[in-house]
Amino acid sequence: DGGITQSPKYLFRKEGQNVTLSCEQNLNHDAMYWYRQDPGQGLRLIYYSQIVNDFQKGDIAEGYSVSREKKESFPLTVTSAQKNPTAFYLCASSINQGYTEAFFGQGTRLTVV
Amino acid sequence: DQQVKQNSPSLSVQEGRISILNCDYTNSMFDYFLWYKKYPAEGPTFLISISSIKDKNEDGRFTVFLNKSAKHLSLHIVPSQPGDSAVYFCAARYSNTGKLIFGQGTTLQVKP
Repeated sequence: DGGITQSPKYLFRKEGQNVTLSCEQNLNHDAMYWYRQDPGQGLRLIYYSQIVNDFQKGDIAEGYSVSREKKESFPLTVTSAQKNPTAFYLCASSINQGYTEAFFGQGTRLTVV
Repeated sequence: DQQVKQNSPSLSVQEGRISILNCDYTNSMFDYFLWYKKYPAEGPTFLISISSIKDKNEDGRFTVFLNKSAKHLSLHIVPSQPGDSAVYFCAARYSNTGKLIFGQGTTLQVKP
């Protein structure tokens, strides 16, 4: 089955700790994205990558970091510098940045206590 | 500054009637507009899209209308079904970077 897998579905961390969210796709897509969803604010773009070993900041990149060492993987690290990390995080991919449709994973609910 | 806006947080319609979800945008650099449907604790799924050079696109019960002069698009669902109850996100794509910008979402409830 082709798709995007985010793990884990729920994640709890103590304040001040870094945490890495996993995103893997087997769709052979070049472009991958990380979004954050907060109540009443829609989906906001954190980082995106158009190709392996390349990525760009989105609209709310502060306090986050990413890597794209492999085409199928785009992990997101939420650092202690992120002031409000508790949110629902969504990973997506598309064939390339010029393609209109993005496919989303199931999301990871991160709660920082 | 919200470049894609869905001003109605929620909408309730009766089964069998039409659902109309609205979206406004401010940036003329968008070249594609998309609608996504999302259930709680799941990722959004693509529903329908429209190019900025068209004014209508239809797929089964779903039709998207684009009014470029008003910078407004709408999603019509006819007839509405209880299974359509979800959050609907409007999204717009930048022509130069391919970035997708999402609206805040509208929660649709279809009552049996």
